[in-house]
Amino acid sequence: KNQVEQSPQSLIILEGKNCTLQCNYTVSPFSNLRWYKQDTGRGPVSLTIMTFSENTKSNGRYTATLDADTKQSSLHITASQLSDSASYICVVKGAGTALIFGKGTTLSVSS
Amino acid sequence: DTGVSQNPRHKITKRGQNVTFRCDPISEHNRLYWYRQTLGQGPEFLTYFQNEAQLEKSRLLSDRFSAERPKGSFSTLEIQRTEQGDSAMYLCASSLGSPGGTNEQFFGPGTRLTVL
Repeated sequence: KNQVEQSPQSLIILEGKNCTLQCNYTVSPFSNLRWYKQDTGRGPVSLTIMTFSENTKSNGRYTATLDADTKQSSLHITASQLSDSASYICVVKGAGTALIFGKGTTLSVSS
Repeated sequence: DTGVSQNPRHKITKRGQNVTFRCDPISEHNRLYWYRQTLGQGPEFLTYFQNEAQLEKSRLLSDRFSAERPKGSFSTLEIQRTEQGDSAMYLCASSLGSPGGTNEQFFGPGTRLTVL
């Protein structure tokens, strides 16, 4: 069964600290993996997209890694800001058009 | 604003009533998707259009749900005889489908449905 599992479910960190979110998937065949940021009550916004051949991709303070052999990805946030408080969703595209979403990690950044 | 827009943003209805939501995709995007998201969960795929053709439907899309994209531009999602379990955020996304492309989907702000 195609699944995307994320950990931790929730995370609280102090402003300025770094954090890493994890994503494991069992989707096969694999097309690409995306990380989205979703603010409360809003639609998801894409942070990164990685294909099979890409190991790392950065978008400002966000750096995503992908290990297609172990089917794991991580999202590292550097020097967190209050505005980083959101849900971060790992999404995998396999065959066909449908995306398979994880449940997300809820990040709270406090001052 | 050239992003994906959805209307209404919020809808409260009584059980048994019909509701219709609208999605306006990014103008040059040929693909349009509908998703449903409940609290604490990731979005779940409902259906997908390429231009005006509805090419894929999830088994989550019961007979009470119908989606259209009559001219290949905006789309509507109608829920008939709403049930309390239909309460959720309904998200629309669009993408420019091209061979070899990543087909990145851009999401709208969603319509939050509450069925009383």
